[in-house]
Amino acid sequence: GAGVSQSPSNKVTEKGKDVELRCDPISGHTALYWYRQSLGQGLEFLIYFQGNSAPDKSGLPSDRFSAERTGGSVSTLTIQRTQQEDSAVYLCASSLGGGWNTEAFFGQGTRLTVV
Amino acid sequence: GESVGLHLPTLSVQEGDNSIINCAYSNSASDYFIWYKQESGKGPQFIIDIRSNMDKRQGQRVTVLLNKTVKHLSLQIAATQPGDSAVYFCAENENQGGKLIFGQGTELSVKP
Repeated sequence: GAGVSQSPSNKVTEKGKDVELRCDPISGHTALYWYRQSLGQGLEFLIYFQGNSAPDKSGLPSDRFSAERTGGSVSTLTIQRTQQEDSAVYLCASSLGGGWNTEAFFGQGTRLTVV
Repeated sequence: GESVGLHLPTLSVQEGDNSIINCAYSNSASDYFIWYKQESGKGPQFIIDIRSNMDKRQGQRVTVLLNKTVKHLSLQIAATQPGDSAVYFCAENENQGGKLIFGQGTELSVKP
């Protein structure tokens, strides 16, 4: 597609349930990022994939959070046993990666509400 | 995880005036910086970038200034328009390809 696509756009889930958020990056982009944004706040880094390198998971807030990127393209962020504090907008971005070409293009985000 | 600041500062300007949005970054090893604009309900959008070997870069109505001595970045918007109303974030990058770390956002409000 022309841009970064995220699905679903909105997700309401019950506390304790698992959720999966999907990100389709721009074709050819080797770098993929996940960020979390709580209401009225900035972007919190979660995880970064670059090519075939081991992902940088330093931003994941707990072991309930995990992410994978299959075939160097689509990525899934999984949150297990969701808690109310997980409610936020989850943003995915992709970039060409490497060198100076690190301009990241963002998707519209998935708004997660845990009730 | 690494996080940005809470309680976003706000800047209110009159339409037609110039706006200056500031950002302090923390990593002296960062070598690439980007400004993003985020409108309500949307993902951040790229505005302008600058490399650490530069101290100024101009775009259309926007200028970014970089002061590496004090680790400070600013975004200047000329002749601010109502459509410029948004939250503005700076982001830093280390080692030409590492993860992007976002700074504290600033909410810009343009009064007609």
